[in-house]
Amino acid sequence: NAGVTQTPKFQVLKTGQSMTLQCAQDMNHEYMSWYRQDPGMGLRLIHYSVGAGITDQGEVPNGYNVSRSTTEDFPLRLLSAAPSQTSVYFCASSSAGQAIYGYTFGSGTRLTVV
Amino acid sequence: KQEVTQIPAALSVPEGENLVLNCSFTDSAIYNLQWFRQDPGKGLTSLLLIQSSQREQTSGRLNASLDKSSGRSTLYIAASQPGDSATYLCAGTSGNTGKLIFGQGTTLQVKP
Repeated sequence: NAGVTQTPKFQVLKTGQSMTLQCAQDMNHEYMSWYRQDPGMGLRLIHYSVGAGITDQGEVPNGYNVSRSTTEDFPLRLLSAAPSQTSVYFCASSSAGQAIYGYTFGSGTRLTVV
Repeated sequence: KQEVTQIPAALSVPEGENLVLNCSFTDSAIYNLQWFRQDPGKGLTSLLLIQSSQREQTSGRLNASLDKSSGRSTLYIAASQPGDSATYLCAGTSGNTGKLIFGQGTTLQVKP
């Protein structure tokens, strides 16, 4: 049981480049989320999804796009990378329903934009 | 809008001391409250999950409580050890949206 898998673990981008951060879970979880973690700012929600085909914005969505075509995958796209997007990105998933059993996190992607 | 606050931001204690980390939240419709541990440069490890119908959960030397009426949760660490040094994060799941919202964390240092 792999849990939540994020790739790549590390990435360096040049300003203006685009890329996709991958997130996959094998627990059949309905809820999936993307966070960024910055020193002094804590973990902030970028986008989240409550099921395939359904996504919504979190606290800091600007500069990021998401889609959810399958239950398993929730990729995060940076359309035109900026130095302000240098951060550690975490993907998380959880089952839905009245008894939400807590979120499971991936190991993170450390992104540097130069 | 759910807001989660953790106090103190940092804490330094001698080994063996019992300690309490505090977490407060604004959304009384919270579904559950989850405590995580994060070591420097690492990911998040889930420590305890308290569902909305529960008042506390225990795992080894850790005990977490949840009081929805007052909007508070506490993480109690008994007989602290240097290996407990890390950042502890609390996060609440909104009952309306399923979103998980984090506090800023408490960085704990346990000195030998």
